[in-house]
Amino acid sequence: SAVISQKPSRDICQRGTSLTIQCQVDSQVTMMFWYRQQPGQSLTLIATANQGSEATYESGFVIDKFPISRPNLTFSTLTVSNMSPEDSSIYLCSVEDRGLANYGYTFGSGTRLTVV
Amino acid sequence: AQTVTQSQPEMSVQEAETVTLSCTYDTSESDYYLFWYKQPPSRQMILVIRQEAYKQQNATENRFSVNFQKAAKSFSLKISDSQLGDAAMYFCAGTGTASKLTFGTGTRLQVTL
Repeated sequence: SAVISQKPSRDICQRGTSLTIQCQVDSQVTMMFWYRQQPGQSLTLIATANQGSEATYESGFVIDKFPISRPNLTFSTLTVSNMSPEDSSIYLCSVEDRGLANYGYTFGSGTRLTVV
Repeated sequence: AQTVTQSQPEMSVQEAETVTLSCTYDTSESDYYLFWYKQPPSRQMILVIRQEAYKQQNATENRFSVNFQKAAKSFSLKISDSQLGDAAMYFCAGTGTASKLTFGTGTRLQVTL
């Protein structure tokens, strides 16, 4: 199955600044997914990132706030821009993994973001 | 799945006992997968078990098994011989042709001695 390295694991940021989260996969994947998990909540899909095209954002999420890059088939970044305390969450990347005993989704270890 | 519902915010089980976590879903697709994921305090999402919608046989993985009732759109998780390490948040999730996972709100499982 795929292995995802996600960085940073946690950060504390000042409001108004931006943070870029990176995910590196050890194999080539078509789609990468970015999720937000607000405190005590479930996972909500932010966007789907395909290599060579603009990310597709879910309702309630916009590119200006969460720009995503996908320069190749093994790497993606999510930027949280102009942060406010409401952005304090865990952010996770994920890939569709057909090597996961046939099929599943593998997740990065998450980035715990605190905005002060 | 387009919507996934978990109606049990918290559950508790004694060590070595059996517990069942409930999940219902709704989808208009005929081809989809359902999953149970475990999230311990480390926040790592761990795949527990998967079910393919076209398979009538319920999936099993060691102490974990599902009761998949397609007509009722129900997908419950049974954990047998519960262990302290099973304590975590459990999320039910589903996907279809769009390959996007939709998660339920989660069930926090406590395991007591």
